[in-house]
Amino acid sequence: DQQVKQNSPSLSVQEGRISILNCDYTNSMFDYFLWYKKYPAEGPTFLISISSIKDKNEDGRFTVFLNKSAKHLSLHIVPSQPGDSAVYFCAASDQGGGADGLTFGKGTHLIIQP
Amino acid sequence: DTEVTQTPKHLVMGMTNKKSLKCEQHMGHRAMYWYKQKAKKPPELMFVYSYEKLSINESVPSRFSPECPNSSLLNLHLHALQPEDSALYLCASSQSTGAGGEKLFFGSGTQLSVL
Repeated sequence: DQQVKQNSPSLSVQEGRISILNCDYTNSMFDYFLWYKKYPAEGPTFLISISSIKDKNEDGRFTVFLNKSAKHLSLHIVPSQPGDSAVYFCAASDQGGGADGLTFGKGTHLIIQP
Repeated sequence: DTEVTQTPKHLVMGMTNKKSLKCEQHMGHRAMYWYKQKAKKPPELMFVYSYEKLSINESVPSRFSPECPNSSLLNLHLHALQPEDSALYLCASSQSTGAGGEKLFFGSGTQLSVL
């Protein structure tokens, strides 16, 4: 049972345009969400996070939107750059206390075309 | 220092070998994690150490044995592995062990091949 879903295995976007990556979750206990970027044979790198008390968080070119009622979040990257080409993982956790680790989606491979 | 350092980067071992993966962080984080990632799959949680005590074992086979010698170090001892255990093994750490979101910092991983 997949609790965090990224339904697009890949996404191709032209350089300079907006990239929108989507993520859905089923576990209503999740209240903290993160996006990680990963290159092959490397560990995931933290990009941006959002708590369920917010519906938007922005950091430079990256913005994460959270729709709690739809159990949906999205990552917007604008403008997209060639170095953004990577696999993006959505992750979620329950802030209730303790270190429980993160539950990851399957990832979306973002390809930025020149 | 925001790094999680893993050694070795690559490891090839036979099914009868005993080897260890090592992980180190100097961020003062009190939670450390082992994840396993196979190609085109998400990272899967294996173990969590909180304040140097094993707090989560996600039903991992006993051929994987974690150890946390101190708050900065995390080891994963491997014995009698199977070819299907070949994967990228990721170590991570986080500061938060109480209420509040966990932001995990990952190492670059050990790419393990079992022959």
